[in-house]
Amino acid sequence: NAGVMQNPRHLVRRRGQEARLRCSPMKGHSHVYWYRQLPEEGLKFMVYLQKENIIDESGMPKERFSAEFPKEGPSILRIQQVVRGDSAAYFCASSPNSPGQPQHFGDGTRLSIL
Amino acid sequence: ELKVEQNPLFLSMQEGKNYTIYCNYSTTSDRLYWYRQDPGKSLESLFVLLSNGAVKQEGRLMASLDTKARLSTLHITAAVHDLSATYFCAVGLEGNTGKLIFGQGTTLQVKP
Repeated sequence: NAGVMQNPRHLVRRRGQEARLRCSPMKGHSHVYWYRQLPEEGLKFMVYLQKENIIDESGMPKERFSAEFPKEGPSILRIQQVVRGDSAAYFCASSPNSPGQPQHFGDGTRLSIL
Repeated sequence: ELKVEQNPLFLSMQEGKNYTIYCNYSTTSDRLYWYRQDPGKSLESLFVLLSNGAVKQEGRLMASLDTKARLSTLHITAAVHDLSATYFCAVGLEGNTGKLIFGQGTTLQVKP
């Protein structure tokens, strides 16, 4: 049973470019979460999605960031016009139907902005 | 806004010793999780605590939850080098939301 799959593992972008991070949840999981981790810090919640719905986006910056979880295909976290401060590790997690279940994390995408 | 604080943030200890990591949170919650993260790696789920007084043990690690004190502990018994990692507690908000609030993490270094 494959775990949460994230790609790419590493992504380098220049300032002003767009970054697209992909996440395929574990089989049977319908809840997806995105977190950001800065060096030496804990994870910060960004957004919680179910298929075709954004449930909670209270942790998403108001501009340049968006997330989707379409009916078919992976969840996408999109960052437009990246800036140096966007450099971080972005983790995706998934859980089954009940949100009270533990979230299972992917290996993360390390985003570096030049 | 829910705040989660861990202490200590860094812990260096000798193999064979015991120690406890504390996780305090600021508002009511109906679930608490402990995760382990190795450098450059993802997070591994260790424990899920869902009720007051819950205690769970796995090997040399034992976690407990006191919802009245809003406190969880992760106790390490007879530490070994393989336990060196960063440990996070994460608290879920009450109600039907998946949002987790993470503590800052405790980096544990076990010296041979």
